[in-house]
This record gives sequence, C-alpha cells and structure tokens, in this order.
Amino acid sequence: AQKVTQAQTEISVVEKEDVTLDCVYETRDTTYYLFWYKQPPSGELVFLIRRNSFDEQNEISGRYSWNFQKSTSSFNFTITASQVVDSAVYFCALHNTNAGKSTFGDGTTLTVKP
Amino acid sequence: GAGVSQSPSNKVTEKGKDVELRCDPISGHTALYWYRQSLGQGLEFLIYFQGNSAPDKSGLPSDRFSAERTGGSVSTLTIQRTQQEDSAVYLCASSLDRGRVSEQFFGPGTRLTVL
Repeated sequence: AQKVTQAQTEISVVEKEDVTLDCVYETRDTTYYLFWYKQPPSGELVFLIRRNSFDEQNEISGRYSWNFQKSTSSFNFTITASQVVDSAVYFCALHNTNAGKSTFGDGTTLTVKP
Repeated sequence: GAGVSQSPSNKVTEKGKDVELRCDPISGHTALYWYRQSLGQGLEFLIYFQGNSAPDKSGLPSDRFSAERTGGSVSTLTIQRTQQEDSAVYLCASSLDRGRVSEQFFGPGTRLTVL
C-alpha cells in the first residue's frame, strides 16, 4: 500500500521568511514518481515539480527548491523569501507507475502574512 | 482555453437522486483521473483511465459510484442514490503519460452538495 504523509497541517510565516514543507512517503515499488502541487485559494491545482525514484538530484527553480532523500523516503519543498502569493495548500503526491494510481497527502496550508 | 474542463461547476441534489459529472480532458492526453476532495481534506483517488485499458476502479468508495470514458476522451462519473456523505468537490485530471509519467492537469472541479 502507498501512503503520503504531510505532517504539517498548517504553517504561518511572515513575508520574506523561508519555509519548508515536509513530505514523507511509503511504497513498496522501486520505480515511482513524486510530485508537488499547489492549490491556491482559486481552487485549481497547479503542478510544481516531478521527480522519479532514480533521480535524487535536488532541484532549484527560482525561490523554490526540493530535497529528495530516498534513504529517508522524504521529498521536502522549501520556499525561500516567501511572498503573500505563496499562500495556498500544497500537496505532495506519489505515483505508482505500475498501477497508475496517485496517492496524495492531506496537504499543508501555508499562509504568508505581509 | 485548452485546459481540463468539468461540468457542472456546482450541483445541488436531494438525497437518493442520481448525478452525472462530466470531464473533458486535454486533447491528446491518454490518462484521466477522478478524485474527490472533501472540505479541508486531501485528494481521494477514485478511478483512473489509461488509453483503452480497463480502468483502475480500486478507489471507488462503493458500488453506487461508476465512471466511463467514451472514445478515450470525455469521461462521466455517475453517483447513484446520492448520500449526504457524497458531498465534496469532484476533481478530474488528465495527463499525457506516453512512455513516462507526466504531471496531471486538473480541472476546476464540480462542487456536489447532497441535501
């Protein structure tokens, strides 16, 4: 069975602070994909990043960075110098390449205050 | 636009009635997913279609739920004899998934309220 845990239900920071959203996953598959999605107040989920299980290289995209550690089954997401527009619910997801099923975490609600 | 569209955007129904929710995926996307999102909750996987293969129905919560995808494109999620606990936002997503897993593009959802 697959499981994705986002232990932080809600996080509140002040603008310009750095914030890290945690994601821990469980799977028996050796090949899988991990995703982060953002759901702003408008409601539609937006893709942020995809990482496959064989690529542990960390990635930076502007103010966003991701730390994938297979040894600890974690795929954490850091926002540097947060902005009010970063306020949203962020979901981590695990995709089973064999069955095609995606398992989402319960999401972390990030509030960035001015 | 060329995104995923869903209809209706809102649906209010009485307990016991049947409802049909529609999803138009992005043209050319082979994979289509249905999820349910209850208020303040994460996404609950319901069903997955990939090309012409038999769908993965492992997430459907009961036999009152069914889905079909006609011609590898439009999909309809049907809920029979709706119950109040069916109230949620139903999200559809599609992805290209040709040879490698790609990101899912989500529709705006259908908000279902069962009175």
